[in-house]
Amino acid sequence: DAGVIQSPRHEVTEMGQEVTLRCKPISGHDYLFWYRQTMMRGLELLIYFNNNVPIDDSGMPEDRFSAKMPNASFSTLKIQPSEPRDSAVYFCASSSGPLVGGDTGELFFGEGSRLTVL
Amino acid sequence: AQSVSQHNHHVILSEAASLELGCNYSYGGTVNLFWYVQYPGQHLQLLLKYFSGDPLVKGIKGFEAEFIKSKFSFNLRKPSVQWSDTAEYFCAGNTGGFKTIFGAGTRLFVKA
Repeated sequence: DAGVIQSPRHEVTEMGQEVTLRCKPISGHDYLFWYRQTMMRGLELLIYFNNNVPIDDSGMPEDRFSAKMPNASFSTLKIQPSEPRDSAVYFCASSSGPLVGGDTGELFFGEGSRLTVL
Repeated sequence: AQSVSQHNHHVILSEAASLELGCNYSYGGTVNLFWYVQYPGQHLQLLLKYFSGDPLVKGIKGFEAEFIKSKFSFNLRKPSVQWSDTAEYFCAGNTGGFKTIFGAGTRLFVKA
């Protein structure tokens, strides 16, 4: 089975350029998450979707960041304009939804997109 | 504020040594707790989780963790590590929803 697929794996760009990161969740998963990992701040939840609808975007750092999920099999995270402090690894994860007894289940992660903004 | 903290950022052990990685959380009420592992060059994957019941949770590859509510802790343990356990380990938690907060991670290096 294919896992969560992210592209690109690596992106190097110049300050001010637009960056678009892409994610294909596991088929059948209703939840999709975008995380950012940096040395200073660890893994931060940026936004998550349920059935293609954004549920919580309180982690999105500022208006330069936007995320969309036009359908159940595709999501994008866009940074415009990009800045050097946006350099990080961006992870996408998906999940099948709540299980019995309050168990929220497992997050399945992609391999990440490493962004470097010069 | 909800948070998860991991005490050690880097740990170096020799093979066959015992492992304990600390994790503390600051949630009130019901809490789900997780340990994820990221092997070099790979994606994060679940090691084990706790959401209710027996506070001693067993996961894959011989790992276990104990939920101690009075100490707000969920430490990860393994009696005897192997070189292949070299990885980064993340503690994480949520309060029953999907807003999962991760700790900063602990990089474990096991010397052969």
